[in-house]
Amino acid sequence: DAGVIQSPRHEVTEMGQEVTLRCKPISGHDYLFWYRQTMMRGLELLIYFNNNVPIDDSGMPEDRFSAKMPNASFSTLKIQPSEPRDSAVYFCASNPGGAGYQPQHFGDGTRLSIL
Amino acid sequence: KNQVEQSPQSLIILEGKNCTLQCNYTVSPFSNLRWYKQDTGRGPVSLTIMTFSENTKSNGRYTATLDADTKQSSLHITASQLSDSASYICVVSGSSGTYKYIFGTGTRLKVLA
Repeated sequence: DAGVIQSPRHEVTEMGQEVTLRCKPISGHDYLFWYRQTMMRGLELLIYFNNNVPIDDSGMPEDRFSAKMPNASFSTLKIQPSEPRDSAVYFCASNPGGAGYQPQHFGDGTRLSIL
Repeated sequence: KNQVEQSPQSLIILEGKNCTLQCNYTVSPFSNLRWYKQDTGRGPVSLTIMTFSENTKSNGRYTATLDADTKQSSLHITASQLSDSASYICVVSGSSGTYKYIFGTGTRLKVLA
């Protein structure tokens, strides 16, 4: 099992540019999550999907942020236009659905720096 | 307001020693509490998950306790190793069926040889 795969691992871009972060969840997992981590605020949920459908996007900070999940094996988080305050580590996580309490499996994140 | 607070913010111990990390939460209703380990530059990895009816759970040298009445949890690390150096994050789920977890800001542990 390759785990949750995120790309790129690092992204440095200038303010105003479009940024696209990518995620491949673990095969068979019904839920996919996007988180943002900063020193000040820790991990914050941005949005999550169930069976490719967005369920809760109340954590998306602004309209500049958008996320899609076109199929069960791929999701993107897009920021357009980017701003310096968007600099953070963005994590994707997935877990299987169903009964019980399932651990979330995180990718290793994309470290985003907006200059 | 639903909150998860962890203490201490950081901790330095010598290899082989034990330590205990604390987590207090105000999340209500409560469904489950999780502890994650996050190595530098990596994503968090699940250590334990406890429901309100469980008051202790172990994963190797890691033992988590939960007191749902006082809304407190602790993570005890026994015979620490250099590889235990990481951030430990406490996470609380507010109600069954929701995935809106509330994350603490973590305790950064450094184990010295």
